[in-house]
Amino acid sequence: KAGVTQTPRYLIKTRGQQVTLSCSPISGHRSVSWYQQTPGQGLQFLFEYFSETQRNKGNFPGRFSGRQFSNSRSEMNVSTLELGDSALYLCASSLVGGPRGYTFGSGTRLTVV
Amino acid sequence: QQQVKQSPQSLIVQKGGISIINCAYENTAFDYFPWYQQFPGKGPALLIAIRPDVSEKKEGRFTISFNKSAKQFSLHIMDSQPGDSATYFCAASKKDNFNKFYFGSGTKLNVKP
Repeated sequence: KAGVTQTPRYLIKTRGQQVTLSCSPISGHRSVSWYQQTPGQGLQFLFEYFSETQRNKGNFPGRFSGRQFSNSRSEMNVSTLELGDSALYLCASSLVGGPRGYTFGSGTRLTVV
Repeated sequence: QQQVKQSPQSLIVQKGGISIINCAYENTAFDYFPWYQQFPGKGPALLIAIRPDVSEKKEGRFTISFNKSAKQFSLHIMDSQPGDSATYFCAASKKDNFNKFYFGSGTKLNVKP
């Protein structure tokens, strides 16, 4: 059974640019969540999508957005990149009924220069 | 503000010893408490989880102890092995928002051979 797939694995962008990250959940998982992981702030919840609708949102500025497609794949977009956006962005997928089986991908390492 | 506080930040244990990591929370709405293990370059992987109606849960060498009145829970790793060297995160989620996790700051465990 394939796990959660995130692409690309590594990305280098310049300040002011925008970036799109992709997440393919485990087959059958309909919920996709995104987290930002940094050494200083740890793991912080960005948002969750379920059936193409944003169901939960964390405390991040509007520059961070996402969407989910009908096949449950999700994308996350960050506009007007800042140096502080450098982080490991993790995607997790889960079944409908609860947090069991909440599975993370290996993440996309974004470096903003 | 950090909703889940984790300690210690780092831990060195001899092979065969017991590793103990502690977490505390304030929000009594939390209903699910998982522990995640993360190796470098990988996403967090679920180790073991507990709900507040249970005081202890054991899976192999990993045990969660839960003290509802003190709002604390801990992870015990018995017979610690070098392969257990990783970063461990406690987390919590609410019953009405179970896919939004609040993570502790992480504990870097080093098991010496």
